[in-house]
Amino acid sequence: GDSVTQMEGPVTLSEEAFLTINCTYTATGYPSLFWYVQYPGEGLQLLLKATKADDKGSNKGFEATYRKETTSFHLEKGSVQVSDSAVYFCALLPSNTGKLIFGQGTTLQVKP
Amino acid sequence: NAGVTQTPKFQVLKTGQSMTLQCAQDMNHNSMYWYRQDPGMGLRLIYYSASEGTTDKGEVPNGYNVSRLNKREFSLRLESAAPSQTSVYFCASRGAGIGADYGYTFGSGTRLTVV
Repeated sequence: GDSVTQMEGPVTLSEEAFLTINCTYTATGYPSLFWYVQYPGEGLQLLLKATKADDKGSNKGFEATYRKETTSFHLEKGSVQVSDSAVYFCALLPSNTGKLIFGQGTTLQVKP
Repeated sequence: NAGVTQTPKFQVLKTGQSMTLQCAQDMNHNSMYWYRQDPGMGLRLIYYSASEGTTDKGEVPNGYNVSRLNKREFSLRLESAAPSQTSVYFCASRGAGIGADYGYTFGSGTRLTVV
């Protein structure tokens, strides 16, 4: 069945470091891909999305490119801030259902 | 913009007690979902409702029931709570149709502890 695999955390970085969180997926058809962010004590917020191959989603300095050839949707940011500390979830929406499938989440901690 | 509203935010139950988690959205979305979040397991779908009047099981439905009361409201009921149901519960909704944002909008969650 369809699934999402994220790199295990926690990821600890210093402020202004480069961030990559890996995400790969298994799916039939042409799914949409998403990154959600969860700040401490809060619900999930949509960070960015891509609905077809080679699309690049971007928001708040974060980027991810939908790579069908490698079935990946890695999240990147050039310079992280302490305020980026959160849990990041990669998710897949299959083309034939309305049910979002999540990866296990990656905790990011950014230190001053 | 209220979005998706969940109540209560926190709850402690004794084993065997029952309770209903409430969820309401004001975005005129057709689809609504209940997920549970457990450490290291991401979010797992409990039940969903593709439209008013329909409900279907997700990945982990055992021990839960749902009601899609109307287009706005989707409740989750625990008939006899068990410690394994200690979790954070999230309700979400999703629009559909031309021009719709196909991502979900999430509520802020209910943190449930069963002792």
